[in-house]
Amino acid sequence: EPEVTQTPSHQVTQMGQEVILRCVPISNHLYFYWYRQILGQKVEFLVSFYNNEISEKSEIFDDQFSVERPDGSNFTLKIRSTKLEDSAMYFCASGGLPTDTQYFGPGTRLTVL
Amino acid sequence: AQKVTQAQTEISVVEKEDVTLDCVYETRDTTYYLFWYKQPPSGELVFLIRRNSFDEQNEISGRYSWNFQKSTSSFNFTITASQVVDSAVYFCALSEAGRGAQKLVFGQGTRLTINP
Repeated sequence: EPEVTQTPSHQVTQMGQEVILRCVPISNHLYFYWYRQILGQKVEFLVSFYNNEISEKSEIFDDQFSVERPDGSNFTLKIRSTKLEDSAMYFCASGGLPTDTQYFGPGTRLTVL
Repeated sequence: AQKVTQAQTEISVVEKEDVTLDCVYETRDTTYYLFWYKQPPSGELVFLIRRNSFDEQNEISGRYSWNFQKSTSSFNFTITASQVVDSAVYFCALSEAGRGAQKLVFGQGTRLTINP
């Protein structure tokens, strides 16, 4: 069964460093998403992406964040200068159509020290 | 604006009991979609069900059943004869129809503990 994959599973970084979180969506999906979940809290939407551009972004997704689909399979989230409050689990999701079920990857736990 | 409320923060029951997780939503759209996801202790988000706003039929899948009532803006989830493996955090979520990718808005989640 096709699945969304994410690497790394856990990333530890120093405050101010850049991180890139990687995702491989399900191959025939066209809509891609990033969400984050601070420990013990709800899952929050960050950004949606379709046709090589951002469809929507939340207030959390400020200038420090960017997304890219560098090739036909990868979808990345970059945080330019990490802050302590960026520590969270980051989930990638993909869907075939705009309101289709979104299937989530296993997440990347980001720890900023 | 969209909003999902899961008023039950934590529920703890003994194995084989039935348990219902509540979900109340708010949206101005007439077309929308409701979801339940399970987050086991391992942390991943596992899709359970998707319903659209025009389909109010209740659904049963094994020990799981869902009760969608537009009149009360609720989409409740019942586990019958609960098992220890059902222990997880359960999230209800909403997306609205529209052009382009539609984000999911999640509730706060209900932590369900099934005790042997």
